[in-house]
Amino acid sequence: AQRVTQPEKLLSVFKGAPVELKCNYSYSGSPELFWYVQYSRQRLQLLLRHISRESIKGFTADLNKGETSFHLKKPFAQEEDSAMYYCALGNTNAGKSTFGDGTTLTVKP
Amino acid sequence: GAVVSQHPSRVICKSGTSVKIECRSLDFQATTMFWYRQFPKQSLMLMATSNEGSKATYEQGVEKDKFLINHASLTLSTLTVTSAHPEDSSFYICSARDRTQGSYNEQFFGPGTRLTVL
Repeated sequence: AQRVTQPEKLLSVFKGAPVELKCNYSYSGSPELFWYVQYSRQRLQLLLRHISRESIKGFTADLNKGETSFHLKKPFAQEEDSAMYYCALGNTNAGKSTFGDGTTLTVKP
Repeated sequence: GAVVSQHPSRVICKSGTSVKIECRSLDFQATTMFWYRQFPKQSLMLMATSNEGSKATYEQGVEKDKFLINHASLTLSTLTVTSAHPEDSSFYICSARDRTQGSYNEQFFGPGTRLTVL
């Protein structure tokens, strides 16, 4: 079965500290993974897709197939990073994505 | 980029009435749209997958007779909550795939609709 686990419901760090939001997945095929972000009172939007191997707003995420993880990292958190973050696994065959439960990140001044 | 709109953004209705929510892809054709419910500070719950010109595929536990989905064109999908009750109060979000942008599984989200049933 396809599953995405975000073990931390809440995560709080101070401004300037490193942050890592964990995401683990289970999928028998070749995974396509995403991170979406939802800022307060805004819509969900794509932050990163693993196939692009890009850095957006200082965030990076590396797909580790051995550990079945796709953790989101940023070396120096900013207050504007405070938001809800969702990890998602795309399933081309099923035509839909599975979302994790989300992690609320709070960056304190 | 691909833009998805929803209308209305907020609706309040009386128990027992029906409410229709529209989801539109503004600058692309969306053969597939998705409907989610989001509870406060909780995850997205996929309700159904809406394919243009065919019946929606509902997730387990979602009543298809209560949540009617119609995807009559490549740019519009509607969700009708029939005989709404207070427990249907929630934030409903739609998303769409744009096969011409990003990757196949990337979704573009609407702003959501806050439904309050009195």
